[in-house]
Amino acid sequence: GENVEQHPSTLSVQEGDSAVIKCTYSDSASNYFPWYKQELGKGPQLIIDIRSNVGEKKDQRIAVTLNKTAKHFSLHITETQPEDSAVYFCAASPNNFNKFYFGSGTKLNVKP
Amino acid sequence: NAGVMQNPRHLVRRRGQEARLRCSPMKGHSHVYWYRQLPEEGLKFMVYLQKENIIDESGMPKERFSAEFPKEGPSILRIQQVVRGDSAAYFCASSPPDGEKLFFGSGTQLSVL
Repeated sequence: GENVEQHPSTLSVQEGDSAVIKCTYSDSASNYFPWYKQELGKGPQLIIDIRSNVGEKKDQRIAVTLNKTAKHFSLHITETQPEDSAVYFCAASPNNFNKFYFGSGTKLNVKP
Repeated sequence: NAGVMQNPRHLVRRRGQEARLRCSPMKGHSHVYWYRQLPEEGLKFMVYLQKENIIDESGMPKERFSAEFPKEGPSILRIQQVVRGDSAAYFCASSPPDGEKLFFGSGTQLSVL
């Protein structure tokens, strides 16, 4: 089955700096890669996603890049703000979407 | 359009009791997934269901755990004879018929005393 690895497990940045979270996957059949943000006591919230036919996608301060050859994808957050502090999960899903395989999460702390 | 609704938000059970967790998917969504999350850990897949069908239950423990998604009503995750190790947050997610874009509920925090 698919194996998604996520790094780093914790990340601390100064407000205004950029944050990058990286994930790798093992199954070449995976073609959909969402990112989720989970705040304390809440469910994961979809923040951005990318399909395998696209190399990069941006939504305001958030961007995701995908390298299918190397089987890795990354989340980029620019001009970080304290409210970006949360746990971020990457995920990979194969063609049939029967399963979503999640990374272990990255706890992002943005210091004011 | 209401999101994925889970109830209860918090459930306290004594060892040996049964726990029933409910999930109503988003309107128009026909796929339901259950995930379990221990503190400071990631999301572990348990089961994937469509209406009246269990599609993939490879993440479910073989004993005491069961799930259903009836034709009418919410999806139910049932844990019989709970033990302390069952204490966790249980998240339900739903997706539309094409299966893409998974949306999560707020979760049920199960505490076993």
